[in-house]
Amino acid sequence: QIHLQVSGPGLVRPSQTLSLTCAFSGDSASINTATWSWIRQSPSRGLEWLGRTYYSSRWNFHYADSVKNRITINPDTSNNQFSLRLRSVTPDDTALYYCAGGAARRLDYWGLGILVTVSS
Amino acid sequence: ETVLTQSPGTLSLSPGERATLSCRASQSLSSDYLAWFQQKPGQAPRLLIYDASSRAGGIPGRFSGSGSGTDFTLTISRLEPEDFAVYYCHQYDISPFTFGPGTTVDVK
Repeated sequence: QIHLQVSGPGLVRPSQTLSLTCAFSGDSASINTATWSWIRQSPSRGLEWLGRTYYSSRWNFHYADSVKNRITINPDTSNNQFSLRLRSVTPDDTALYYCAGGAARRLDYWGLGILVTVSS
Repeated sequence: ETVLTQSPGTLSLSPGERATLSCRASQSLSSDYLAWFQQKPGQAPRLLIYDASSRAGGIPGRFSGSGSGTDFTLTISRLEPEDFAVYYCHQYDISPFTFGPGTTVDVK
C-alpha cells in the first residue's frame, strides 16, 4: 500500500511555472519499484496523463506530447517525494492535478487532487 | 497517440441490473495494458481492473474486465447503489499513455 499527498500553490500566474510536489509513504518494497506519475483533470480535457518516471538501471522519463516541451518530473526518493514542473502556463493548464504511483506502469494509488488555477 | 473511445456516453440502469461498458483503442494494445477506473464526485479515480482482466485489490467480484487488442469491456454483473459513478478506461501500453472520455452510469 502506498499513500500519496500533493502539495503546492493553488494559483499560478500566466507564463509562470507550475510546481507541485507529491509525497509518498508506505511499503518500502513497493516504493523502490514503483512508477510515479502525474495526471490532471479538467472539464475541457477530461483525464489527461502528463508523464511518469521510474527507475530501471537509471531514471527514465516519459511525457505526454501535449506538454513534453514544458514539463519536468523529478524523483527525490531520498525524501520520499517527486515533483512536477510545468513551464509557461496558460489558463488552459487550469485543472485538478493528481499524482499516482503503482507497480510496473500502473496507476494503483492516487493522491487527493489539488486544484491549480492559472489566472492573473 | 492512442485514442480511446468509450461507449455509451451515459448508461441509465437500475440497481441489480447488469452494466456493460465498452472501450475501443485506435491501435492494438499488444500487451493488453488496459485499466478501468471508477470516479465519484470529489474523489480521485479508483483502480478497478488492470491488464484488461485482473481485479485490483479489494474490488468486489461483480466487476470484471475482458478483451484484447483494440476492444475491451468492463462488466458490472449486478449494480449496487454505490456503483453509480463515472468509469474511465486507460491504456498504459503505448506511450504516451491515454484515458478515454468516460462512461457515466446513472440511476434510471
